[in-house]
Amino acid sequence: EAGVAQSPRYKIIEKRQSVAFWCNPISGHATLYWYQQILGQGPKLLIQFQNNGVVDDSQLPKDRFSAERLKGVDSTLKIQPAKLEDSAVYLCASSSQGARDTGELFFGEGSRLTVL
Amino acid sequence: SQQGEEDPQALSIQEGENATMNCSYKTSINNLQWYRQNSGRGLVHLILIRSNEREKHSGRLRVTLDTSKKSSSLLITASRAADTASYFCARPPGAGSYQLTFGKGTKLSVIP
Repeated sequence: EAGVAQSPRYKIIEKRQSVAFWCNPISGHATLYWYQQILGQGPKLLIQFQNNGVVDDSQLPKDRFSAERLKGVDSTLKIQPAKLEDSAVYLCASSSQGARDTGELFFGEGSRLTVL
Repeated sequence: SQQGEEDPQALSIQEGENATMNCSYKTSINNLQWYRQNSGRGLVHLILIRSNEREKHSGRLRVTLDTSKKSSSLLITASRAADTASYFCARPPGAGSYQLTFGKGTKLSVIP
């Protein structure tokens, strides 16, 4: 079974530029998450999708971050404009459980963003 | 916000020794999970313990859960250099929550 795919693995941009990250979850997984992990900290949830609907985006900085999950499969996370403090690893995870029944999360390898 | 903390933040042991790390949380949970993260990689699920379970084993891993103290511990027995990683506990931040909240993790170094 293929795992969660993410790209790009690494990205370096200047502040105020934009960047987009892509995630392809495990086939059949209805729930998809984007987490932000700053160096030395645990992952922090940015947004959770159930199929193509948003379940929770309360911690997403909506003035600069946006995410979508077209057709309930792939997802894209965009940052525009980027700030220095956005430097982090962006992790995508998926789960076969419904939003009300949290189960095991399967993570991708992450996309490491450096903002200069 | 991240609820609870793993303790200790960092742990260094010799190969063959046991490693114990703890996790505390603040609200009632349905389950608690432990994940491992190797440097530069994604997180990998290790074990899930439900609120009605007190102890669970998986290979060299032993997880305990004390709901009265709102704490859990992860024991890795006979550690190996390959166990070097960060370990996170994850749990729903509140009753009926739909997501997992992670702590800051324990960074384990196993010295060959």
